Amino acid sequence: DTGVSQDPRHKITKRGQNVTFRCDPISEHNRLYWYRQTLGQGPEFLTYFQNEAQLEKSRLLSDRFSAERPKGSFSTLEIQRTEQGDSAMYLCASSLSAGDETQYFGPGTRLLVL
Amino acid sequence: AQTVTQSQPEMSVQEAETVTLSCTYDTSESNYYLFWYKQPPSRQMILVIRQEAYKQQNATENRFSVNFQKAAKSFSLKISDSQLGDTAMYFCAFMMPDGGSQGNLIFGKGTKLSVKP
Repeated sequence: DTGVSQDPRHKITKRGQNVTFRCDPISEHNRLYWYRQTLGQGPEFLTYFQNEAQLEKSRLLSDRFSAERPKGSFSTLEIQRTEQGDSAMYLCASSLSAGDETQYFGPGTRLLVL
Repeated sequence: AQTVTQSQPEMSVQEAETVTLSCTYDTSESNYYLFWYKQPPSRQMILVIRQEAYKQQNATENRFSVNFQKAAKSFSLKISDSQLGDTAMYFCAFMMPDGGSQGNLIFGKGTKLSVKP
């Protein structure tokens, strides 16, 4: 069983550009989570999906952030009009919805906005 | 709202010795999960150990064990026979069952552990 994968692993962009990150969860996991981690801090929750339904999005940092999981499998996180303050590690995790709710993390996408 | 506090920003331990990392949390709920995650330098977050609040027995995983004190809202991690590969950031995290209303883990700020040869 492969783990959670994320692509790209690193992204450098210029301020004002749009970026999109992809997450592929563990295959049988129907819950998928996005977190942001800045240097020296613990991960901060952004949003999560159960299958294709986005059940919580009020914690997305601004309306420049959006996420999708169109077929209940992989998910994308998009940041529009990037700002330098968006520089961070973006982590994806997945879990089963019942039984074992432990979240398993991917390697993250490190974003640097110049 | 739930909060998680890790009061030790950095710790070090000699190889083969034992070290304990502290974590306290605040919640008014009676049923929840607690986790310790490990994040090695430039590598991904790995689950170390998990505890269900309704279980009185402390969880153990090989060299890793917890001291769960529910009344005190304390959840410390003990690493026995420390190895160089244990060098990492360790995060304590809280989660409501079934994800609660927001489905998420709430993390502390982490403790940077260095294991010295």
